[in-house]
Amino acid sequence: DAKTTQPPSMDCAEGRAANLPCNHSTISGNEYVYWYRQIHSQGPQYIIHGLKNNETNEMASLIITEDRKSSTLILPHATLRDTAVYYCIVLNQGGKLIFGQGTELSVKP
Amino acid sequence: NAGVTQTPKFRVLKTGQSMTLLCAQDMNHEYMYWYRQDPGMGLRLIHYSVGEGTTAKGEVPDGYNVSRLKKQNFLLGLESAAPSQTSVYFCASSYRGDRGYGYTFGSGTRLTVV
Repeated sequence: DAKTTQPPSMDCAEGRAANLPCNHSTISGNEYVYWYRQIHSQGPQYIIHGLKNNETNEMASLIITEDRKSSTLILPHATLRDTAVYYCIVLNQGGKLIFGQGTELSVKP
Repeated sequence: NAGVTQTPKFRVLKTGQSMTLLCAQDMNHEYMYWYRQDPGMGLRLIHYSVGEGTTAKGEVPDGYNVSRLKKQNFLLGLESAAPSQTSVYFCASSYRGDRGYGYTFGSGTRLTVV
């Protein structure tokens, strides 16, 4: 399974865009990049996922570099409720989500 | 449509006692998973199942057993609880679609072993 590297923590001002980076240099061609978040020990919440192309949904945008070795999750207008731990996960064909340490995002007023 | 339901939500056990955690899903998902989460850490996969009647070991399987007798249920058993098994346990189910897997997580079971 491809490993991911994320910064342990980040701060973001409320109303500004939060850009969360993730490195996955050993990703294979058929492996998806998934983003989940966990708010205060609740169950993980799905945010977005992608394979090669950039993706956007009502929660966030996912930018994947052309070589697929890194990606960025963008929360366009962060709110206090976006304070959470964000996990970047590379999912192979086996389908098992293997969590790393994630990035603890603090959105400040 | 309840999604993934975990029972119980909280439990305190004495060292050496046994218990079973129940995970039920009503989405007809093929795959099911048990994770544990210790303070300050990400979730770690204990066991998983790729279909009714099948189970497999994850990252941290020792001290746990599982069974998937029915497609909608995935049971996690602790035969002799130890304080090191104090943790929050999450169950998840998933399906495989055209664009990868779709996961749904339960709300967790907080287990304390004293």
